[in-house]
Amino acid sequence: KAGVTQTPRYLIKTRGQQVTLSCSPISGHRSVSWYQQTPGQGLQFLFEYFSETQRNKGNFPGRFSGRQFSNSRSEMNVSTLELGDSALYLCASSFRTGGATDTQYFGPGTRLTVL
Amino acid sequence: GQNIDQPTEMTATEGAIVQINCTYQTSGFNGLFWYQQHAGEAPTFLSYNVLDGLEEKGRFSSFLSRSKGYSYLLLKELQMKDSASYLCAVRDRSGYALNFGKGTSLLVTP
Repeated sequence: KAGVTQTPRYLIKTRGQQVTLSCSPISGHRSVSWYQQTPGQGLQFLFEYFSETQRNKGNFPGRFSGRQFSNSRSEMNVSTLELGDSALYLCASSFRTGGATDTQYFGPGTRLTVL
Repeated sequence: GQNIDQPTEMTATEGAIVQINCTYQTSGFNGLFWYQQHAGEAPTFLSYNVLDGLEEKGRFSSFLSRSKGYSYLLLKELQMKDSASYLCAVRDRSGYALNFGKGTSLLVTP
């Protein structure tokens, strides 16, 4: 079974630009969550999508947005990039059965550098 | 909100046993997860605990005490490849998101 895939793996942008990252979940998984990982803050939750609807949202500004398609693939968008947005962006997928043991499996991440 | 604490760094010797602690404060609790992350790679799932007690999975075990807001990950028969960051994450009742600690960087030495 293929794992979670993310594209692109590396991205360099300049301040003020916008960027779109893509995530394809494990086959059969319907939930996709996005996280930002930085050395200073660690892994922080951005948002979660399930059945094409945002179900949960972390404490990030509105410049960070996302969507999910009917095939469960998800995209996240960051507009008006700032230097502080440089990070590893990870997506994770799960079945989302509602049980406490629902496990999220991570993709390899997209390394975004903002210059 | 949640506050999750783990030691920043630990060092252990190949073949030894190491225990990585995690304490948390949360408004609710819906499971605790441990992930391993090698440098430059994605976090990989190791174990979860929902009820109090010890869960064993080969060389890895994880313990939970909900009343104390405490968990630990025990790694036995350490191997060089166990050098990695170990992330403790708690899911609270208010949502589905995982709230992560900042991770413990484990170095295994010969």
